[in-house]
Amino acid sequence: TQLLEQSPQFLSIQEGENLTVYCNSSSVFSSLQWYRQEPGEGPVLLVTVVTGGEVKKLKRLTFQFGDARKDSSLHITAAQPGDTGLYLCAGFMTTDSWGKLQFGAGTQVVVTP
Amino acid sequence: DTEVTQTPKHLVMGMTNKKSLKCEQHMGHRAMYWYKQKAKKPPELMFVYSYEKLSINESVPSRFSPECPNSSLLNLHLHALQPEDSALYLCASSQPGGGLGELFFGEGSRLTVL
Repeated sequence: TQLLEQSPQFLSIQEGENLTVYCNSSSVFSSLQWYRQEPGEGPVLLVTVVTGGEVKKLKRLTFQFGDARKDSSLHITAAQPGDTGLYLCAGFMTTDSWGKLQFGAGTQVVVTP
Repeated sequence: DTEVTQTPKHLVMGMTNKKSLKCEQHMGHRAMYWYKQKAKKPPELMFVYSYEKLSINESVPSRFSPECPNSSLLNLHLHALQPEDSALYLCASSQPGGGLGELFFGEGSRLTVL
């Protein structure tokens, strides 16, 4: 059972369109990260959110952490083919022992020219 | 360029072979991890080392044997593997004991067991 539910599982859009990926849980997280992974490579850390209600921007990517620290979203504006990849949310639950990072199932994003 | 380096990038082995995967990090981190990832799935935690001591073993079969010779190196020794062990094996490092929990991953070792 995934403690972090990601949606949608798959997203295919045209270059220039916007997209949003959601990461939801019934548990509280002390921190939450977003990673992007390309085929045959390891995940690359994009951002970490810590404070409830926090919003972080990374160029065309906007990350939000829910007020209750149970959910997060990733919004990409004017998507480009280089944004293609598997997007993973991950976090440490406040009740978990250190080291056990919980991963969502991932959202495969495909941006076509 | 990643600061977590994994070798080899690809490995093919038979079920009776003994091989090792290696990981090296130059970030000064004192926590290192092994994850297993199947296609189109998220990474699954296998082992965590903190200050060169094994702190988490996620009930991994004994045919996988981790080793942390020093704070920069992490090995995964493989013996008598099964075809279902074929996967991408990822090494990661982080600051130990709390903090933001940010992991830095290597590019992975793609293992195929025949």
